[in-house]
Amino acid sequence: DAGVTQSPTHLIKTRGQQVTLRCSPKSGHDTVSWYQQALGQGPQFIFQYYEEEERQRGNFPDRFSGHQFPNYSSELNVNALLLGDSALYLCASSLLAGPTDTQYFGPGTRLTVL
Amino acid sequence: DAKTTQPTSMDCAEGRAANLPCNHSTISGNEYVYWYRQIHSQGPQYIIHGLKNNETNEMASLIITEDRKSSTLILPHATLRDTAVYYCIVRVGGNFGNEKLTFGTGTRLTIIP
Repeated sequence: DAGVTQSPTHLIKTRGQQVTLRCSPKSGHDTVSWYQQALGQGPQFIFQYYEEEERQRGNFPDRFSGHQFPNYSSELNVNALLLGDSALYLCASSLLAGPTDTQYFGPGTRLTVL
Repeated sequence: DAKTTQPTSMDCAEGRAANLPCNHSTISGNEYVYWYRQIHSQGPQYIIHGLKNNETNEMASLIITEDRKSSTLILPHATLRDTAVYYCIVRVGGNFGNEKLTFGTGTRLTIIP
C-alpha cells in the first residue's frame, strides 16, 4: 500500500517565478492538506482540499493556490515567489468522514528560492 | 497558535523508556491529543492519539491525565532511530471534519548510545 507521495523532491527557483508541487494521497484517502515548514519551525497549515474544493485555509496570501483532481491527487501552486517562500512543503492525506481522520504526511518537497 | 506546551529538548539513554510530557490546559471536550514525530528533513510521522483513555500501539503509549490538561508519550525502549522532534497537538478529531493540525515547536529528543 503506497503512502503519500510528493514530487519533485527538491526544486530551485528564482524570485518572481511560479512553482507547482504535486501530491498523491495514500490509497483510500480523499482529503489532502498542505503545510509549509520553514527551517527550524513546525509545519504551518496552508489549505485543505476535499471533493476538488478548498474547505479550509490558513493564513497564507492568495499567491498560494491549489487544486484537487478527481483521483484525489492535488497540486500546490505558488506565484510570484519570494525568498521567504523557501521551505519544506508537506502534503498530508486523510479520510474526511471515516472512523478516524488521522493525517498522514508525505516526505515533502524542498523549495529553494534564490 | 499552538495550544500545547512542551520542553524544548530532552535526552534519553538507548534502551530506556523515553517519557515526553505535554501540557494542554485549555483543551476542549471534543479535542483529541495527537502525537507526531519528525526525523530530520522528513515528513512528520503519526504516532498515536487519544481522547481521554490511555492508548497503546506498536510504537508508543499515551497517558492522559484524568483532567485531560496534560499527557505523556512513552517510548518504552528507545533506540537511536527514535531521535527526532516530537510534536504534541490538540485537535478536534474522530469524525468531526478533519480539522487542520496546528504544530508548535515540539520537543527535540536525542537518544544517547
